[in-house]
Amino acid sequence: NAGVMQNPRHLVRRRGQEARLRCSPMKGHSHVYWYRQLPEEGLKFMVYLQKENIIDESGMPKERFSAEFPKEGPSILRIQQVVRGDSAAYFCASSTAGSSYNEQFFGPGTRLTVL
Amino acid sequence: QKEVEQNSGPLSVPEGAIASLNCTYSDRGSQSFFWYRQYSGKSPELIMSIYSNGDKEDGRFTAQLNKASQYVSLLIRDSQPSDSATYLCAVTTNYGGATNKLIFGTGTLLAVQP
Repeated sequence: NAGVMQNPRHLVRRRGQEARLRCSPMKGHSHVYWYRQLPEEGLKFMVYLQKENIIDESGMPKERFSAEFPKEGPSILRIQQVVRGDSAAYFCASSTAGSSYNEQFFGPGTRLTVL
Repeated sequence: QKEVEQNSGPLSVPEGAIASLNCTYSDRGSQSFFWYRQYSGKSPELIMSIYSNGDKEDGRFTAQLNKASQYVSLLIRDSQPSDSATYLCAVTTNYGGATNKLIFGTGTLLAVQP
């Protein structure tokens, strides 16, 4: 499968627990973006990363959320002490480069449910 | 003012008709424009990208861009029931210095009636 991979596809957490969402970009892509889609709302940009660098985190909530894209392995979006308002679909996208002309391709998403 | 605006719909068209989906954006510095299709419960799927004024055709899809009017549209010819989905307009903008994050509209729900 040469597409963007995300796991887990579904994640259930209780309030106060941690959620870790993983994303492996398409083969040949080195730029990763995370977006969140709240129920009945549009997709919102969260963070843009390259290997070992956060390029733009202007859409990330100031607390509890963090992201990384290590030299080896997938990109990880981490949510600490989850609350019910974090319940959403989290999508990862990747592109070959960081230009605005580069198309972004989305993974299947992780649907987070906070009980 | 929202950065990217779309009519939420639903837009209902009969099978075989042309579906016309519209999108306006607020940032005149926007450089790239994309249409994604999203089926219920699924992830967005890129169907068209357009960067310069005019029309771009790909199969049954035609994207139209008018930067002076800050308007982008998607035409779907010979609509099929399988085209029933939410269509998301996305724009990259220079706002905040980042030129490649996608700003999405809330999407237009298209329903193609058999």
